[in-house]
Amino acid sequence: DAGVIQSPRHEVTEMGQEVTLRCKPISGHNSLFWYRQTMMRGLELLIYFNNNVPIDDSGMPEDRFSAKMPNASFSTLKIQPSEPRDSAVYFCASSLESATGELFFGEGSRLTVL
Amino acid sequence: KQEVTQIPAALSVPEGENLVLNCSFTDSAIYNLQWFRQDPGKGLTSLLLIQSSQREQTSGRLNASLDKSSGRSTLYIAASQPGDSATYLCAVSNSNYQLIWGAGTKLIIKP
Repeated sequence: DAGVIQSPRHEVTEMGQEVTLRCKPISGHNSLFWYRQTMMRGLELLIYFNNNVPIDDSGMPEDRFSAKMPNASFSTLKIQPSEPRDSAVYFCASSLESATGELFFGEGSRLTVL
Repeated sequence: KQEVTQIPAALSVPEGENLVLNCSFTDSAIYNLQWFRQDPGKGLTSLLLIQSSQREQTSGRLNASLDKSSGRSTLYIAASQPGDSATYLCAVSNSNYQLIWGAGTKLIIKP
């Protein structure tokens, strides 16, 4: 298996622009997580999907952030409009059995908002 | 509220030494504990997963132990190599999906 695949790996954009990050989880995994990592705050859970359904989005910073999982093999995280404070590395991770199982991370999408 | 602490924040040792990384947590009611490795500019790689009913897990030169009663886990690395240099993070789960993360220990193995 190719593992969790994220795109783009790097994104540089200007404040106010829309950003879309993409994730393909490992085939057969029923849980998908979006995390954000910064030096100041470490790893933060943004949203958790189970069987394509959003279970907990309490970590989504504000209404500018939205996430979808239209099918078992694809998820997006969208920021509109983007702000400089959104600059971070965004990770997607998947698991066969939510947090009771091993968590597999993608390589991350490094976002820089100017 | 569960809190996870990793000490030290950074560690530098000569190649070949055995070493121990520490992880402590405040609430012993956990589902499991995972150790991860993160290389610069990369994602996290799962190293070992210890279920709450287990005391330890081993993979190659790595051995992780879990003592729920004292709220501690250790990651033992035998015969360290320069390729082991990375940041090591532990995370505990005390719900069916929430992971509480430590801040990590940055490990440098000097050739």
